[in-house]
Amino acid sequence: GAGVSQSPSNKVTEKGKDVELRCDPISGHTALYWYRQRLGQGLEFLIYFQGNSAPDKSGLPSDRFSAERTGESVSTLTIQRTQQEDSAVYLCASSLVGGRTPYEQYFGPGTRLTVT
Amino acid sequence: GNSVTQMEGPVTLSEEAFLTINCTYTATGYPSLFWYVQYPGEGLQLLLKATKADDKGSNKGFEATYRKETTSFHLEKGSVQVSDSAVYFCALSTSGSRLTFGEGTQLTVNP
Repeated sequence: GAGVSQSPSNKVTEKGKDVELRCDPISGHTALYWYRQRLGQGLEFLIYFQGNSAPDKSGLPSDRFSAERTGESVSTLTIQRTQQEDSAVYLCASSLVGGRTPYEQYFGPGTRLTVT
Repeated sequence: GNSVTQMEGPVTLSEEAFLTINCTYTATGYPSLFWYVQYPGEGLQLLLKATKADDKGSNKGFEATYRKETTSFHLEKGSVQVSDSAVYFCALSTSGSRLTFGEGTQLTVNP
């Protein structure tokens, strides 16, 4: 079946512009996660959605970052007034359920964002 | 807070060599531990996992044992292949939700 998909695969933007990154999770997966991977570094957690619960936004680095999820489907990560330090690969993952049992997270291919 | 420390790379081995990639962690509570792999041009994939102390995760010839006494989860493979060339990430989860990742170890296996 289809895995997690993300679009665009690459995005080049000018400093100060807003960008939107999209994630389509695996159908039926109630949990959705956004991570950021800077060059040569590990993945940083950004935000987590689980069903109808309030999202865990504790990893968002500044108020320029926001994310929405429509029901249990598509999610959009928005970065306003982009800065050069926002350049990274943004990864989305989904899983059957969050909570106490760590179900496997399935990752998308990522969106490579370059801010010039 | 939670953290994961991985052996620094890059690691370069010859085919059929023995592989160890060290991983230690700091966590509150009782974490579940994971190894993820990122092959060139592909997305991140779960390689193996262990959910409690002394559990051994294994997959594709790779193994890692959850050692609570040393807070470690070292990845091993007895005989690596060229196709194992990838970036390997150690990760943990204490809440069953977010993953905390190490910085990754680039492995290159030469024929």
